[in-house]
Amino acid sequence: SAVISQKPSRDICQRGTSLTIQCQVDSQVTMMFWYRQQPGQSLTLIATANQGSEATYESGFVIDKFPISRPNLTFSTLTVSNMSPEDSSIYLCSGTGVDGYTFGSGTRLTVV
Amino acid sequence: GNSVTQMEGPVTLSEEAFLTINCTYTATGYPSLFWYVQYPGEGLQLLLKATKADDKGSNKGFEATYRKETTSFHLEKGSVQVSDSAVYFCALSDQAAGNKLTFGGGTRVLVKP
Repeated sequence: SAVISQKPSRDICQRGTSLTIQCQVDSQVTMMFWYRQQPGQSLTLIATANQGSEATYESGFVIDKFPISRPNLTFSTLTVSNMSPEDSSIYLCSGTGVDGYTFGSGTRLTVV
Repeated sequence: GNSVTQMEGPVTLSEEAFLTINCTYTATGYPSLFWYVQYPGEGLQLLLKATKADDKGSNKGFEATYRKETTSFHLEKGSVQVSDSAVYFCALSDQAAGNKLTFGGGTRVLVKP
């Protein structure tokens, strides 16, 4: 199955700044998704990253706060903009292909 | 919309005990069902899956059967080990909903020696 490399694995950021998270897949995947996992909680879908077009956001998430790019079938980025302590979470990317869903190892973000 | 409900944890067991984690779902279409495991400090790993009614997924001694009549996908293991301590997530994907994964709330399992 596909392997997803996600970076950074963790970061501590100042409020008001932005962080870009990258995911690189070692093979082509049909769809890519971005999730947020708040401390002690389950995963919530932020958006579907569409290749070459604007991402599709879930209710409660907006492009200005979480801009996403997917320039090709194996790479995507998520930016967490104008961060506040409430954005402290684990962010995970996921890809789906013939072998099913694969997840990156996650980015643990702390906003201070 | 789609939803997944699983039993709340934590579940604390002794080694070699029997583990069951209940999972029920609501879906508009014909979903595929999954169990994922998250070990401490790590990402999600697929544990097992089932794509149609009556399918049984199995891996590492864990089993779950897709029960359409009860809309359930309960996870079981006959004899747990300390290394099974983790958080377990039940999830579904539904082509009618764009193949997005919908997760349950997760169940933390702690196995004591």
